[in-house]
Amino acid sequence: QKEVEQDPGPLSVPEGAIVSLNCTYSNSAFQYFMWYRQYSRKGPELLMYTYSSGNKEDGRFTAQVDKSSKYISLFIRDSQPSDSATYLCAMSVRGGSNYKLTFGKGTLLTVNP
Amino acid sequence: GAVVSQHPSWVICKSGTSVKIECRSLDFQATTMFWYRQFPKQSLMLMATSNEGSKATYEQGVEKDKFLINHASLTLSTLTVTSAHPEDSSFYICSAREATSGGLEFFGPGTRLTVL
Repeated sequence: QKEVEQDPGPLSVPEGAIVSLNCTYSNSAFQYFMWYRQYSRKGPELLMYTYSSGNKEDGRFTAQVDKSSKYISLFIRDSQPSDSATYLCAMSVRGGSNYKLTFGKGTLLTVNP
Repeated sequence: GAVVSQHPSWVICKSGTSVKIECRSLDFQATTMFWYRQFPKQSLMLMATSNEGSKATYEQGVEKDKFLINHASLTLSTLTVTSAHPEDSSFYICSAREATSGGLEFFGPGTRLTVL
């Protein structure tokens, strides 16, 4: 079993739809949870991050972490064509000088106008 | 804040030559920098981790003599692909972590390397 599982999609939705992106993980030591957005031929851009279970909201984006189920989600409300990108979940263990991010494979999202 | 730049954004070179890619943290001091490689439609693959002033730690299967990493200052790391071959053609992305940012990494825009 991989440490982080993410459905690669592709996911295609109409403009204005609510999008739900999900990752599951197996390492209960993970404590940092992040979502990155990557446009084609660009580096990943940090969208959301959280250190605890629960919800964190930023504009149209909500990150949700459920540590008991080892499950994280990113919700996008009122999706726009500009949201079309690959979304990568990432997580790491807290502490230590050289802890590394573990990425999901990424979900390709297309928002159709 | 937390801006990371890479230079060049793309490079084409002949087989057998060496290519240097720079990664800079523009508005923070990066105690740790990472180099990734990404193939089309795949996720990022960590190549190496470098801490300022010390030797890089390479991931299993990554040739340290082929991919030379130097982290000479808190704002600059370089990756040199030595004696490049067509199979080294890829998208190379660096990231940087500030000492106080916990697990957060901030990524550069990437460098597309094409070896002819």
